Amino acid sequence: GAVVSQHPSWVICKSGTSVKIECRSLDFQATTMFWYRQFPKQSLMLMATSNEGSKATYEQGVEKDKFLINHASLTLSTLTVTSAHPEDSSFYICSASRGQWINSPLHFGNGTRLTVT
Amino acid sequence: GQQVMQIPQYQHVQEGEDFTTYCNSSTTLSNIQWYKQRPGGHPVFLIQLVKSGEVKKQKRLTFQFGEAKKNSSLHITATQTTDVGTYFCAGISNFGNEKLTFGTGTRLTIIP
Repeated sequence: GAVVSQHPSWVICKSGTSVKIECRSLDFQATTMFWYRQFPKQSLMLMATSNEGSKATYEQGVEKDKFLINHASLTLSTLTVTSAHPEDSSFYICSASRGQWINSPLHFGNGTRLTVT
Repeated sequence: GQQVMQIPQYQHVQEGEDFTTYCNSSTTLSNIQWYKQRPGGHPVFLIQLVKSGEVKKQKRLTFQFGEAKKNSSLHITATQTTDVGTYFCAGISNFGNEKLTFGTGTRLTIIP
């Protein structure tokens, strides 16, 4: 069964509003979670690494003030898309690893399809 | 930065035919992982390879890690309609950049 839960599965919002996406590890503690973005028919692009109890590490080109990440507990990380615009429409997926992530597989959430009108 | 390319980008095969996707990294990898993403779904882990020249099999799937640890391949024997999806390799560079970089993916469609 699913080990990483992501909510919501899809969301439609108006331009200028903010959207929060939750990612939960269901039966393990994840000190590190990852947020990816995927455009149609393209690969997964790492946006940021979410670290429990500390600031997230953002990839080059990703605006940290626009994509706010909070990893307040060992089982929950949230991504908030602030002041969303149509170009932010995409498929956002979180992932986590049971063990040390470098040597362990990533378990992905079901993803959130964001549409900004 | 590290780049991971896969070829082909798309592959259409008749059901029962074999399929192979190739993964090439611009840097030496400490390990490589393979994921499958069904249409509309999320990536699902298939396997991890760590050793140079390693070969692993899962039923009809054969995974190989190159001797130089810069390339990998996934071969599917006698494809079935359930094999439809996009196959991604993902690797971690040996050179201090401990990030899992996904390949460009190969989308497999099956003609029944």
